[in-house]
Amino acid sequence: EVQLVESGGDLVQPGGSLRLSCAASGFTFSSHEMNWVRQAPGKGLEWVSYIGATGTTIYYADSVRGRFTISRDNAQNSLYLQMNRLRAEDTAVYYCARDSSYGYFDSGTYYNVNAFDMWGQGTMVTVAS
Amino acid sequence: DIQMTQSPSSLSPSVGDRVTITCRASQDISNSLAWYQQIPGKAPKLLLFAASRLESGVPSRFSGSGSGTDYTLTISSLQPEDFATYYCQQYYSTPYTFGQGTKLEIK
Repeated sequence: EVQLVESGGDLVQPGGSLRLSCAASGFTFSSHEMNWVRQAPGKGLEWVSYIGATGTTIYYADSVRGRFTISRDNAQNSLYLQMNRLRAEDTAVYYCARDSSYGYFDSGTYYNVNAFDMWGQGTMVTVAS
Repeated sequence: DIQMTQSPSSLSPSVGDRVTITCRASQDISNSLAWYQQIPGKAPKLLLFAASRLESGVPSRFSGSGSGTDYTLTISSLQPEDFATYYCQQYYSTPYTFGQGTKLEIK
């Protein structure tokens, strides 16, 4: 079955750390760029971080840069998010999302599509004392 | 950062209605736009990418259009299973950003 399964969410105190994992199956994980996206309770979607297929290229949202670290293990078909110095505003459901890693030609120009075509079920992170 | 402004924030249509949701980017995103549907308690689902290309398996009543900074998602004839929240997202540049969402509520 083609799926992404997150784990590692928990209740943690402000200033604490947590490591999220995302296990991929049913597709060639090493061919896809990956992302973490979060959603605070009752709020909209917020992109958190991106990692390229080989792990060489990484981007972060300003809100987490310097505190969160994205990584991947292609041999284990796994994506990770190490979260340090957690704050109350980091409370959210965290989703791993597969980048479509798709491209197409239109009028002679090549376009890369970085839409998120597969999502996990999410894992809840609560930061509170 | 590119800001995405979605409107309206909520709608109360009836089954069979034609629904239009708009999304405006703060700069030209060259059709690098995706639309997602999220049912409460579930993960988002990709509906369209490149502004107008339908993701595999998505019903043809969903369509997208637009260019530059202005984009539209249209549901031609609303079905009961379409009552959900819809988000636009630009992937033109990082940080990737989402609109604030449009919630379709049963009238």
